[in-house]
Amino acid sequence: DGGITQSPKYLFRKEGQNVTLSCEQNLNHDAMYWYRQDPGQGLRLIYYSQIVNDFQKGDIAEGYSVSREKKESFPLTVTSAQKNPTAFYLCASTTTGTGPYEQYFGPGTRLTVT
Amino acid sequence: RKEVEQDPGPFNVPEGATVAFNCTYSNSASQSFFWYRQDCRKEPKLLMSVYSSGNEDGRFTAQLNRASQYISLLIRDSKLSDSATYLCVVNVANTGNQFYFGTGTSLTVIP
Repeated sequence: DGGITQSPKYLFRKEGQNVTLSCEQNLNHDAMYWYRQDPGQGLRLIYYSQIVNDFQKGDIAEGYSVSREKKESFPLTVTSAQKNPTAFYLCASTTTGTGPYEQYFGPGTRLTVT
Repeated sequence: RKEVEQDPGPFNVPEGATVAFNCTYSNSASQSFFWYRQDCRKEPKLLMSVYSSGNEDGRFTAQLNRASQYISLLIRDSKLSDSATYLCVVNVANTGNQFYFGTGTSLTVIP
C-alpha cells in the first residue's frame, strides 16, 4: 500500500535534548512538508521541500532543522532551541506540476517535552 | 490577515440535518481548494477537492466563488459519523506550492 509513515507515534523527551522525527513516503511525491498543530489551532508550516537536496523555511522554522537526501525521506529535528516543542507533528507530501494536487498526511507524531 | 479564515463553530446539529460551512481566502493567486476532515487526535484526510463549477460527492457539495474568494461545504442528511473538524485548505502556487489551512470548523452530529 502506498502512503506516508511517521515514527514514532508518541515521543517523550527531556528539555534540552534534540529529537528527530521520521517521515517516509512511497507515493513517489516530489514535495514534502512538516506542520505543527497545537490544541485548538490550525496547522502551521515548519519546513517544506519541493525536490531532493532543497528545502525552504515555513512560518515557524526557528528551532527546527530538516534534510532531504532522498526523495522518500524528510526527517525533522526538533532542537533544544525550540521554546515550546510539545505539539502534534504532521508530515505531508504531494506531487508537483499542474494541479490541483492534494496533500496526503502521515498519522503524525505526538511529541511531549518535559 | 490570515490566509484562510473559517468560523470555528462549534456546530451542533441533529442527525438528518443539513449544515453548511464557509471559508474565505485572502490571496487572489490561490489556485487549488480542498476540504479536509480531521478526527480527534488524527491526521487530516482529504474529503474533497473544490472545483470552479462546484462539485458533489454523495451527501457533500462544495462550491467555489473566486470573485468573492469564498469556499463552502454543504453536508446533507448529517450522520453521527460526520462529527469531526472540517478544514478549508488553499494551495497558492506562486508561494512555492504552499498550502494554507483554516483553523477548522467543529461539527458534532447529535442523535
